[in-house]
Amino acid sequence: AQSVTQLDSQVPVFEEAPVELRCNYSSSVSVYLFWYVQYPNQGLQLLLKYLSGSTLVKGINGFEAEFNKSQTSFHLRKPSVHISDTAEYFCAVSDNTDKLIFGTGTRLQVFP
Amino acid sequence: ETGVTQTPRHLVMGMTNKKSLKCEQHLGHNAMYWYKQSAKKPLELMFVYSLEERVENNSVPSRFSPECPNSSHLFLHLHTLQPEDSALYLCASSQDLEQSSYNSPLHFGNGTRLTVT
Repeated sequence: AQSVTQLDSQVPVFEEAPVELRCNYSSSVSVYLFWYVQYPNQGLQLLLKYLSGSTLVKGINGFEAEFNKSQTSFHLRKPSVHISDTAEYFCAVSDNTDKLIFGTGTRLQVFP
Repeated sequence: ETGVTQTPRHLVMGMTNKKSLKCEQHLGHNAMYWYKQSAKKPLELMFVYSLEERVENNSVPSRFSPECPNSSHLFLHLHTLQPEDSALYLCASSQDLEQSSYNSPLHFGNGTRLTVT
């Protein structure tokens, strides 16, 4: 069965610092990978997705993620974070069954 | 404006009460979903509707009863809930059931924060 592991439940970082949120998945078949963001008191919004093609995917708000098939990872990165990036970030994976499996989330806290 | 509207935003209910959560999507999507979000747990898919027909029920207790009268509206009827049912309930929609499709990502509402006392 598919599973998604987000190793860090919380990531504190200072404003303008770079950040990486880690995501690993388990799957023996081709997968589609997603990052969603949940701002306080809101639902989830799609940040970016990897379906095929280039392994480096650029999303909204300056975020990007790199698909690494050999390491079964899809880590999310931003070179310089803002206070407004404080939110919960969810990695998700889908295979050809079209079921979307979410990770437990990583709370990014950006300090001034 | 997310395109998916959920009401109420907050709900406190006793274990013997009956209440309903409402979701409305203004995106012309064909598929709608109920998710449960609990602290420190992955999002749990509860129900899936496609063109008003239920296509998935992930072993959800019968005290949760969904209803989809048309492709724009989705309800979750609640009765005799337990304290462990307290959570954020998220509604989502997608163009069709293919969540992995480039053109069919999930659009979420802001959720209903449910507290069962």
